[in-house]
Parts: sequence; structure tokens; C-alpha cells
Amino acid sequence: DTAVSQTPKYLVTQMGNDKSIKCEQNLGHDTMYWYKQDSKKFLKIMFSYNNKELIINETVPNRFSPKSPDKAHLNLHINSLELGDSAVYFCASSQVGLAKNIQYFGAGTRLSVL
Amino acid sequence: AQTVTQSQPEMSVQEAETVTLSCTYDTSESDYYLFWYKQPPSRQMILVIRQEAYKQQNATENRFSVNFQKAAKSFSLKISDSQLGDAAMYFCAYRRGNAGNMLTFGGGTRLMVKP
Repeated sequence: DTAVSQTPKYLVTQMGNDKSIKCEQNLGHDTMYWYKQDSKKFLKIMFSYNNKELIINETVPNRFSPKSPDKAHLNLHINSLELGDSAVYFCASSQVGLAKNIQYFGAGTRLSVL
Repeated sequence: AQTVTQSQPEMSVQEAETVTLSCTYDTSESDYYLFWYKQPPSRQMILVIRQEAYKQQNATENRFSVNFQKAAKSFSLKISDSQLGDAAMYFCAYRRGNAGNMLTFGGGTRLMVKP
């Protein structure tokens, strides 16, 4: 049973389109994250949500918007896609307050903007 | 801001031998955690090992161990008895101990294992 699942795994789209990536976790965690991995494999935090509140918002374009309908889901919406948005996007989750507080990652979504 | 540096873009090791991957970090915090994640070609990010900054004892997980030098802000990963399945990208990551909990990653080291 997958702990953190992302859909789709691959997404190919045209410039200017709007797309969404879904993320769900069944671990009962209270915090979820989105990371971006660029073509050079560099990973950087984009957002995190704790109890439906945005607690980190790195300097990403406002074309990117995280939406959390409930504690188990954090979806990533991207408007007006640009070539530079091509990357692998990872969702992760953790439980704030636990001493170990490990982040568990989804398998990633490879977004290709043509 | 915290930074994490992995100075070795690529490393190779002979099967069954030992290899050490380097990581240094910069922080003014006293309470933090350090991690090594493995990313095989499947893209999945897999936690390899974790170290709490307040613990002096180096963490070990089977064939994986770390050399944590807090004063030097160094956190290297040693892989013993390397196996073909160890071939992957390895990322060093830092997290503050307090709320926030975002991971700051190094640039990664690609490990190749030769049969």
C-alpha cells in the first residue's frame, strides 16, 4: 500500500496550458510538501502545508498554487506553463512534532513542457 | 540560510569495496537533523540514514554509516561492501529541528558500482 502517491507519473503538455499534479498520503501525517528537481538533479522546496495552512512559501512564481482539500491531499496547480517548468516534482509528507520526523516521498511526476 | 554542499558530482567503487561520499553544511542552528537520501533510476527518494545533531554517536544502518563531525559541519556517508544495487544518486539533506521542517538538499553525488 503506497504511503505517498502522486498522479500522474508523467505529464507532457504544451506551453501556456494549465495542469495539476495530485498527491495523497495515507500515513496520517499533518504536513505535506512539494519539491522541484531540475534537470541538474538539484532539489528545492516549493511549498509545505500544515493543517491546511501554508507555512512555507519559497520564491516560486505565483503561477504555482498548492491546494489542500484535506489533510491527506496536497495538489499542485500550475497555470500558463513555461518551458522552464519542465522538471520532476516530488510530493512528501511528515508528522511535525515527532522526534524522528522523517519525510516520506512520492515517486515523482516528470513534467515536460513543449 | 542553510546550505548543503556535496563536492563530488560522481564517484565510482568496485563491487564489495568501501566508498565514502562527502557532505558539508552551513548553519547557525544548534538543533538540526541530517539525512542521506538515495535516488535510484526509478526516481524514488529513499531515506538511507539519519543523524540527530545532539547525538555524538555516529548513526549506522547495516552497511551504511556516517561520520558526523559537528564542529567541522561535515556529514559523510560510508558504504561498506558495495553492491550493484547501491548505484544511484545520493543526496545529503539538512533540516532544522524546529517547525518548518523543510529539507535543504545538496547537489547530489552519482555513485557508480563496477562489477
